[in-house]
Amino acid sequence: EPEVTQTPSHQVTQMGQEVILRCVPISNHLYFYWYRQILGQKVEFLVSFYNNEISEKSEIFDDQFSVERPDGSNFTLKIRSTKLEDSAMYFCATGGAGANVLTFGAGSRLTVL
Amino acid sequence: AQSVAQPEDQVNVAEGNPLTVKCTYSVSGNPYLFWYVQYPNRGLQFLLKYITGDNLVKGSYGFEAEFNKSQTSFHLKKPSALVSDSALYFCAASVFNKFYFGSGTKLNVKP
Repeated sequence: EPEVTQTPSHQVTQMGQEVILRCVPISNHLYFYWYRQILGQKVEFLVSFYNNEISEKSEIFDDQFSVERPDGSNFTLKIRSTKLEDSAMYFCATGGAGANVLTFGAGSRLTVL
Repeated sequence: AQSVAQPEDQVNVAEGNPLTVKCTYSVSGNPYLFWYVQYPNRGLQFLLKYITGDNLVKGSYGFEAEFNKSQTSFHLKKPSALVSDSALYFCAASVFNKFYFGSGTKLNVKP
């Protein structure tokens, strides 16, 4: 069964450092999303990406965050200067035509010290 | 504002008993509706979806969900719970490729 692959599975970083989280989507999927889940809390929408541009973003997705598809396959989330409150599990999700089902990756756990 | 509500943080049920996890939505138009399950340290796994048609949809692992348009609800059900069903369950609604998730309900199935 096709999978969404995320790396790293866990990253520990110092406050103020840059972090890049990577996602390999299912090959024929066109819609890409990043969500985050602070430990024990709800799944929060960060950003959606379609046709090589951001289609929507939440208020959480401020200037410290960016997304891109650098090589047409990987989908990355960059946090420029991490804060303690960025500590969370970050999930990549991708959808095919119509995006009526999202397939989630296993997540990247980010710990900011 | 568009939202999905899961009124119960936790549901406890004995193994073999039926279970229900509740979900209501406040989303404009005719949203697609979903249930996802999350096991510890894992991503969200798709269980089932409603797009149109029969109000009772069947999904993975014996789960089913009942769509009720007048009550804007999409409750998850299973006739006989298993201990292995213990997990975190998320309801979601989507319109125009934007997904709204509920806050999650922790299901505890006790032997």
